Amino acid sequence: QVQLQESGPGLVKPSETLSLTCTVSGGSISAYYWSWIRQPPGKGLEWIGYIYYNGGTNYNPSLKSRVTISVDTSKNQFSLKLSSVTAADTAVYYCARLISRFDTTFDPWGQGTLVTVSS
Amino acid sequence: QSALTQPPSVSGSPGQSVTISCTGTSDDVAIYNRVSWYQQPPGTAPKLLISEVSNRPSGVPDRFSGSKSGNTASLTISGLQAEDEADYHCSSYTSSTTVVFGGGTKLTVL
Repeated sequence: QVQLQESGPGLVKPSETLSLTCTVSGGSISAYYWSWIRQPPGKGLEWIGYIYYNGGTNYNPSLKSRVTISVDTSKNQFSLKLSSVTAADTAVYYCARLISRFDTTFDPWGQGTLVTVSS
Repeated sequence: QSALTQPPSVSGSPGQSVTISCTGTSDDVAIYNRVSWYQQPPGTAPKLLISEVSNRPSGVPDRFSGSKSGNTASLTISGLQAEDEADYHCSSYTSSTTVVFGGGTKLTVL
């Protein structure tokens, strides 16, 4: 079955750019929508955005000015870049498959990776 | 977009039923049957529990059920078991073509 795995630095300095990659295994990325979701420590989930395999994207309006999600179908990977980070961006970042762009069915999820913003 | 409203915590004894509410607005829960629920045991990633208000993926016990009335969706867990202790999150599609989550509810099995 499809599995997702996040990778990237666990520590980012304030004002710099957070970069994460999600590797999809057990299935092709060339279908469905692929999303990033984050969870600050002790808080709820926040949708960041998604990308379709053809490159089409949709972002959370509150993060849109700082977010870029890209896809590399040759590597079966998609990536997240979040610029000008602050301590408020400290969170566990999850990647997940979104079944449809008119839906909120995220399945499956990666295990998550904690990113701390600190100098 | 504002987060959906969930109670911070609920509790119940083994064998009992509990219901977790998820209140949205006329821009999301009220007009779309695109509400999902996720279960997140401590230290783990969320797992899909319910999609499209009331659909259970294969493998999810029928003790878990979802419903919706107006701008409020609900998750009911019947025959509560110790292993059900977890955080539960709801999500909804919105009229802005975005996704909004609730703040999460911690379920304690007494």
